[in-house]
Amino acid sequence: AQKVTQAQTEISVVEKEDVTLDCVYETRDTTYYLFWYKQPPSGELVFLIRRNSFDEQNEISGRYSWNFQKSTSSFNFTITASQVVDSAVYFCALSEAYSGAGSYQLTFGKGTKLSVIP
Amino acid sequence: SQTIHQWPATLVQPVGSPLSLECTVEGTSNPNLYWYRQAAGRGLQLLFYSVGIGQISSEVPQNLSASRPQDRQFILSSKKLLLSDSGFYLCAWSRSRTYEQYFGPGTRLTVT
Repeated sequence: AQKVTQAQTEISVVEKEDVTLDCVYETRDTTYYLFWYKQPPSGELVFLIRRNSFDEQNEISGRYSWNFQKSTSSFNFTITASQVVDSAVYFCALSEAYSGAGSYQLTFGKGTKLSVIP
Repeated sequence: SQTIHQWPATLVQPVGSPLSLECTVEGTSNPNLYWYRQAAGRGLQLLFYSVGIGQISSEVPQNLSASRPQDRQFILSSKKLLLSDSGFYLCAWSRSRTYEQYFGPGTRLTVT
C-alpha cells in the first residue's frame, strides 16, 4: 500500500526566510507520480507540481523549488524568501501509475501548516 | 479553460437529516470525478471516484453515497446525517489518462 508522510505538522518562519517542507513516501510501484498542493485559508486546494518517478531532476519555479530523491523516497519542497502569502497548509501526495479502473487516486500526507510571520 | 463549482459553500444540518452536495465541471468532457472529505485538523480522505456516467467507486463504507447523473455532474448524498459526517467536502476532477486533480472551492458541512 502507498503512504505519504509529512512529519512536520506546523512550521513558523519569519518573512524572507527560506523554508523546506519534507515529504517521504512509500510505494511498491516502480512508476508513480508525486504532487504538491497548497491549501490557503480559503480552503481550496491549489495544484503546484507533479513529478514522475522517472524524472529526478529538481525543479524551480520562481521562489519554489522541489528536490526529488528516489534513493531516500523523498520529495521536498523549498520556498525561498518566504512571504506572508505563502502561509497555508501544504500537502504532498502520491499516485501509482495504474489503479485498474482508469482513474488515478491520490494518497495525501496529513499536511504541513506553514505560517509566515511578517 | 476548465472550472469546477461546488454548492452550497456552507451547510448546517441536524443529525438524521438528508444531504445533497453538488459538483459540476465546465470546459472539459468525460472527466474523472472525486469526492474527498477533510475532517478538522486532518488530511484528505477519498470517499468516491467516478470514471464515467453511472460509474461510482467507493473507497470508504459509510452512510454516504455518490451519483453521476451527467458527464460533468457529481452528487454526494446521505439519507441520514451523523455527527461524524461534519467536515470539509472537496470535489475534484482530472482528465482521463493524466494525473493532476483540480479541486473545487469545497463545502463546509456542520452536523449539529
